[in-house]
Amino acid sequence: EVQLLESGGGWVQPGGSLRLSCAASGFTFSNYAMSWVRQAPGKGLEWVSGISGSGGGTYYADSVKGRFTISRDNSKNTLYLQMNSPRAEDTAFYYCAKGQVVVVNWGQGALVTVSS
Amino acid sequence: QSALTQPASVSGSPGQSITISCTGTSSDVGGYNYVSWYQQHPGKAPKLMIFDVSNRPSGVSNRFSGSKSGNTASLTISGLLAEDEADYYCSSYRNSSTFYVFGTGTKVTVL
Repeated sequence: EVQLLESGGGWVQPGGSLRLSCAASGFTFSNYAMSWVRQAPGKGLEWVSGISGSGGGTYYADSVKGRFTISRDNSKNTLYLQMNSPRAEDTAFYYCAKGQVVVVNWGQGALVTVSS
Repeated sequence: QSALTQPASVSGSPGQSITISCTGTSSDVGGYNYVSWYQQHPGKAPKLMIFDVSNRPSGVSNRFSGSKSGNTASLTISGLLAEDEADYYCSSYRNSSTFYVFGTGTKVTVL
């Protein structure tokens, strides 16, 4: 059974930094592209970033480009999202997702609150 | 980066069929067969219902079907059930720096 478990969410001040992690199990992690998708409270889904299975290809939404960095450690079956200089509008549930163009499995989400 | 356009809400009675539209451009919906649809119940993670325009993952009811014409994709739910009441999002690959985009979301209400 595929499991995606996010951690690292919480409160962060504007301009600070936070790193989300996603521990994956139940599939061969290195064979799959992965993504981060976010959802502000009461709002719609927004794709944030994606990474190829090898980690050699990374992609970002314009709204986070230059501030967020996606990475993965295939030896640890873990996906990361480094959030630098977050803004109030980055407040959202962040979902770890298996796949990129088609998201087959989703984690339960980690809430990130950006506030002073 | 602009989201794909969906109606804010669609409603129907049990047993009826409803259709949700998803309008994009030739750079996304119209240009590629990489349209997916997701169902999201309140407080839950999204669930993949349709991928590559019209394919259903294993375990998804055949009451759900997808199609595309030009720059508009559609999700049809037939034989509407109370459990179908949820938010639905389309998504598509986009040939730009954006790479991937979701729709604005549609709330389906079963009357």
